[in-house]
Amino acid sequence: EAGVAQSPRYKIIEKRQSVAFWCNPISGHATLYWYQQILGQGPKLLIQFQNNGVVDDSQLPKDRFSAERLKGVDSTLKIQPAKLEDSAVYLCASSLNRGSNEKLFFGSGTQLSVL
Amino acid sequence: GNSVTQMEGPVTLSEEAFLTINCTYTATGYPSLFWYVQYPGEGLQLLLKATKADDKGSNKGFEATYRKETTSFHLEKGSVQVSDSAVYFCALRNQRNTGFQKLVFGTGTRLLVSP
Repeated sequence: EAGVAQSPRYKIIEKRQSVAFWCNPISGHATLYWYQQILGQGPKLLIQFQNNGVVDDSQLPKDRFSAERLKGVDSTLKIQPAKLEDSAVYLCASSLNRGSNEKLFFGSGTQLSVL
Repeated sequence: GNSVTQMEGPVTLSEEAFLTINCTYTATGYPSLFWYVQYPGEGLQLLLKATKADDKGSNKGFEATYRKETTSFHLEKGSVQVSDSAVYFCALRNQRNTGFQKLVFGTGTRLLVSP
């Protein structure tokens, strides 16, 4: 079974520039998550989708971050404009559904460096 | 709120040594507890889980017991291998009948095993 695909693998931008990340979850997985993992910290949930609807975006900095999952399959996360503190690994994950014991499958992440 | 505290790394061991990585949690209600592992260059993978008090999760020689009295979920392995070198994340997710409960991660503990 194919895993969660993310691209690009690495991205280097200057502050105030824009950047977008793409995620293709495992086929049939209704729930998609974007996590931010800052160096030395655990992953922090930014946004969760159930199909194409947002379930939780309480920790998404909405003044600069946006995400969409228009057809309920793949998703994009955008940062505009980027700040130095956005340097992190952005992880996408998916699960079959959103129950408490659902197993999350993670992609390899996109490592963002903001200079 | 919900939180997870892990011992700081790196943990450096020789092959065949005994491993313990401490994890304690703070949560309201009755959370499910997880250990995720991140091998170099790969995404996080679920290693094991426990969904109620006194449950023992186990996988690949690793074990962790859900201790409600000490709010702990320590990861153990009797004999580590070089291939176990990775970052280990403890996590919790609260259980509710309705509504979304996010997965909360600890900061991760890097394990380095030398031959």
